Amino acid sequence: DSGVTQTPKHLITATGQRVTLRCSPRSGDLSVYWYQQSLDQGLQFLIQYYNGEERAKGNILERFSAQQFPDLHSELNLSSLELGDSALYFCASSLQGGHNSPLHFGNGTRLTVT
Amino acid sequence: AQTVTQSQPEMSVQEAETVTLSCTYDTSESNYYLFWYKQPPSRQMILVIRQEAYKQQNATENRFSVNFQKAAKSFSLKISDSQLGDTAMYFCAFPKPGYALNFGKGTSLLVTP
Repeated sequence: DSGVTQTPKHLITATGQRVTLRCSPRSGDLSVYWYQQSLDQGLQFLIQYYNGEERAKGNILERFSAQQFPDLHSELNLSSLELGDSALYFCASSLQGGHNSPLHFGNGTRLTVT
Repeated sequence: AQTVTQSQPEMSVQEAETVTLSCTYDTSESNYYLFWYKQPPSRQMILVIRQEAYKQQNATENRFSVNFQKAAKSFSLKISDSQLGDTAMYFCAFPKPGYALNFGKGTSLLVTP
């Protein structure tokens, strides 16, 4: 068990809808990362937060947004969903958020858009 | 370019044998870490091993070891005494400044009895 908790485990929704994915980092970790894993694109980095502030941004679409709250949990909001957004969404955390820090991953949220 | 390349999409090895998974990367950084992650059928991402670039000694974690060739920008993973539970997707990862960990496409390893 990595100590990173993601909810829900599975989510099925229709095109055009909006969903929120939730992540609680390991105890003591200040940085949270979101990754998207799809069959054709592999693991794609979306965004990183450190202690409530955005630190790095990757291939995140404008329809997607995230935030990290004062208690350090994070939420990833996906809106105007398309079929291509179906993927496994991972949250990961690290202690300091430096780019050499190992990431500890949650079990992921499987999103299916129908 | 800060890229990570895994040239072997699939590999197979018999139980108790040794297998080596390849990874090359490109960077202009001088000090960095490299990582191997494992993703079994359960889909969980598990850290296998990490190597610090300025350390000449190759990292080892039980049956897992790396062959790190800094000049060649090569970072291969050797799995000794392969076990059925080693069946998984293996990802090489390299930190890209301002971006976080950049993962390769992965190598699917099947361990057969």
